[in-house]
Amino acid sequence: DTGVSQDPRHKITKRGQNVTFRCDPISEHNRLYWYRQTLGQGPEFLTYFQNEAQLEKSRLLSDRFSAERPKGSFSTLEIQRTEQGDSAMYLCASSLDASSYEQYFGPGTRLTVT
Amino acid sequence: SQQGEEDPQALSIQEGENATMNCSYKTSINNLQWYRQNSGRGLVHLILIRSNEREKHSGRLRVTLDTSKKSSSLLITASRAADTASYFCATDSGGYNKLIFGAGTRLAVHP
Repeated sequence: DTGVSQDPRHKITKRGQNVTFRCDPISEHNRLYWYRQTLGQGPEFLTYFQNEAQLEKSRLLSDRFSAERPKGSFSTLEIQRTEQGDSAMYLCASSLDASSYEQYFGPGTRLTVT
Repeated sequence: SQQGEEDPQALSIQEGENATMNCSYKTSINNLQWYRQNSGRGLVHLILIRSNEREKHSGRLRVTLDTSKKSSSLLITASRAADTASYFCATDSGGYNKLIFGAGTRLAVHP
């Protein structure tokens, strides 16, 4: 069973550097979501895709953040000019389609900005 | 911003006891879901209750929903050490399946 996978699992970077994370959803899942989770808190919605179309972006997603899903399969989340406040777990989830409410989460990418 | 608030923030019980967690939310919803998160398996969907439902069961889980009070509860019966995890309620209010999570309840079940 190939669930949602994320790469890398851990990333340590210096402030000001750019980082890119990848998410591979469950195959045939049309919807893909990105969330951010900080210690002791629940995940916070960042953005989501229906196939290759990015349909909504949270106000949390500043202009330093960009997400793509070029072919409607995998997705990338890039953070430019990282700041210490970007340190968090970045979670990806997918669901089959608009009528499927259950989301399947990946293991996350833990970002540490030093 | 967080939509839901779970109560209590932390809960410590013995194996075999029941665990009850509560969730309150602020806006009208289409459905409410409960997820479990532990270090071994990440976030896992447990159960979904729609806005027109009042109670739902799945195995040892029982979820209630009171839309007039904007609250939900999750009951885990006959708890096991393997139930040790953080439990989050998540609401979907925009119709886009964009989930808004609460801060979670950290449950510890002691053998």
